[in-house]
Amino acid sequence: DTEVTQTPKHLVMGMTNKKSLKCEQHMGHRAMYWYKQKAKKPPELMFVYSYEKLSINESVPSRFSPECPNSSLLNLHLHALQPEDSALYLCASSQEQGPGFEQYFGPGTRLTVT
Amino acid sequence: RKEVEQDPGPFNVPEGATVAFNCTYSNSASQSFFWYRQDCRKEPKLLMSVYSSGNEDGRFTAQLNRASQYISLLIRDSKLSDSATYLCVVNPSGNTPLVFGKGTRLSVIA
Repeated sequence: DTEVTQTPKHLVMGMTNKKSLKCEQHMGHRAMYWYKQKAKKPPELMFVYSYEKLSINESVPSRFSPECPNSSLLNLHLHALQPEDSALYLCASSQEQGPGFEQYFGPGTRLTVT
Repeated sequence: RKEVEQDPGPFNVPEGATVAFNCTYSNSASQSFFWYRQDCRKEPKLLMSVYSSGNEDGRFTAQLNRASQYISLLIRDSKLSDSATYLCVVNPSGNTPLVFGKGTRLSVIA
């Protein structure tokens, strides 16, 4: 089973709202990722967690705040977003961080900021 | 030179055709390589990893040429359901993040 689940599927939020995206995997993977994808573009990496510790932050604005409560869960807390943050937010996981480990993506949360 | 380059297409092919995509990468130290497919408004799904000796999975064959720094994907007997964007993905080395190509769009036409 290579399933990564994400909730919610769709989210519309105003620029003053606070919301959270959730991601879960039960494959025993120790690396988890957040990506942002705009239409007709490839996914762009935002954050990597390895063994529940933040490993990579790709200079993401502080209005995006990741959290890894345990090895199966990954959250992305959103606050004071801008309309240009509207995108598909993808979570992925892999057995470990590093070369040779395939990443499996969740279905994504389609976010619209109004 | 961009890190991972793909022809964006679109490739419009009839059902049953054989189609091939190439992808070039700039970092000669890159260690692992993948093809993902992505349907419109869906997540990328792993199609296959690409091994040095080449590998085949049903109608799909992937090849790696380290000397020329390119990977290829061959699809035989194309089906309508193969219509998607195919992403070439390279893992440079160590804990460096994956590098995605911009994707090649394939439309298989009845």
